[in-house]
Amino acid sequence: AQRVTQPEKLLSVFKGAPVELKCNYSYSGSPELFWYVQYSRQRLQLLLRHISRESIKGFTADLNKGETSFHLKKPFAQEEDSAMYYCALNYGGATNKLIFGTGTLLAVQP
Amino acid sequence: DTAVSQTPKYLVTQMGNDKSIKCEQNLGHDTMYWYKQDSKKFLKIMFSYNNKELIINETVPNRFSPKSPDKAHLNLHINSLELGDSAVYFCASSQEVGTVVKYFGPGTRLLVL
Repeated sequence: AQRVTQPEKLLSVFKGAPVELKCNYSYSGSPELFWYVQYSRQRLQLLLRHISRESIKGFTADLNKGETSFHLKKPFAQEEDSAMYYCALNYGGATNKLIFGTGTLLAVQP
Repeated sequence: DTAVSQTPKYLVTQMGNDKSIKCEQNLGHDTMYWYKQDSKKFLKIMFSYNNKELIINETVPNRFSPKSPDKAHLNLHINSLELGDSAVYFCASSQEVGTVVKYFGPGTRLLVL
C-alpha cells in the first residue's frame, strides 16, 4: 500500500541555516509527489510539485526514486519559513488521490 | 478573497447524531474533494466530485454521503456518527480532473462524544 513518511515532527533551525525536511514514500507505481505548506492561521496550500522542478520561495525538492525520497531543501532559512510542511503522494494518476505525511513543523529561530 | 470555504469550523456532537459540513469554492473549479485528517495526523482523500459527479469514493463507510448541488458546492453528510469519526475534515478543489490540488479549505474539526 502507498504510504508517505515524514520522520521528524519538529525541525528547529536558526535563521540563515540550511534546511532539509525529510520525506520518504512507498508506492509501487510511478510517483507524483508534492510539498504543501500551512502557515500559522492560514490554509493548507501547494508549495511545489516534483514534475515542475521549480524553486518556490527558495525551496527545492528532488525526487530520488532509488531512495524513494522527496526531501525539501532550502539553503538559508528565513523566519517567515516557519510553518507546517506536508509531503504528499498522488497515487491515483489523473484522479488526484493524494495521501499525505503527518507533517513536519519547521521553526526558524531568529 | 476566500477561495475554498467550509462551515462550520467546529462541530461537537453526540454519537448517533446526523450532521453536515458544507463546502463552497469561488474559483470556478470543476473538481472538489473531501479529505480527512485523523488523530494521528494522516490526511487522506475520501471523495472527489467533478462537475457534480462522483469520481472517487475511497472505501468510505456509506454513513458518509457527499452531495454536490452544483459544481461550486460539495457538502458532506454523516449519518449515525461514531467516536471514530472525530477528525478534521478538509475540503479542496482543483481546476479539473487531473490538475493539481492547490487550494484547501480551513478545515472542520468534528468531535463526537
